[in-house]
Amino acid sequence: GQNIDQPTEMTATEGAIVQINCTYQTSGFNGLFWYQQHAGEAPTFLSYNVLDGLEEKGRFSSFLSRSKGYSYLLLKELQMKDSASYLCAVMDSNYQLIWGAGTKLIIKP
Amino acid sequence: DGGITQSPKYLFRKEGQNVTLSCEQNLNHDAMYWYRQDPGQGLRLIYYSQIVNDFQKGDIAEGYSVSREKKESFPLTVTSAQKNPTAFYLCASSISGGSGANVLTFGAGSRLTVL
Repeated sequence: GQNIDQPTEMTATEGAIVQINCTYQTSGFNGLFWYQQHAGEAPTFLSYNVLDGLEEKGRFSSFLSRSKGYSYLLLKELQMKDSASYLCAVMDSNYQLIWGAGTKLIIKP
Repeated sequence: DGGITQSPKYLFRKEGQNVTLSCEQNLNHDAMYWYRQDPGQGLRLIYYSQIVNDFQKGDIAEGYSVSREKKESFPLTVTSAQKNPTAFYLCASSISGGSGANVLTFGAGSRLTVL
């Protein structure tokens, strides 16, 4: 079966760095997405990786290793507004998105 | 501003009733999707449509129905046949389906509670 694993919850301190991991086992691979979702709101797109390596976008970076079935989202200079759930999703060989359950990130002052 | 509008935001339903959730987009996107979000689970695809007057079942279509009569609109009906309908429902759209960099734009969601 297809599976996406991410930690359920993480806690970090304002101003620090946090890394949210995502491992996947899917039928084929056509890219990996990260979305941010504040409680009760719509998910919003953060990043897309289809080739191995690091993609940097401001305070957020996303890394992909296709051979290891692994990605991480790196958040730097954490702010209180970064408290949210972070969803990892993989597009399989049929161009269908398989979603992880999300990682709830709690930022403490 | 372009975006996706879902309504209502909150909805209460008695058992045995059908309810329809509205989803409208003005992004000129071809593809539209309905997802269900439950605590501790990933988003699950209910139905999707890549073009007007055509739609396909997702992973959990039983007890749901949709229509796509206009490009802008993709309403979801939760029927009385859906055994556990209490959930947060998300509508999304993308420029087109069936491609790699298929970024989804989501609506704000509709929370359905069955009493």
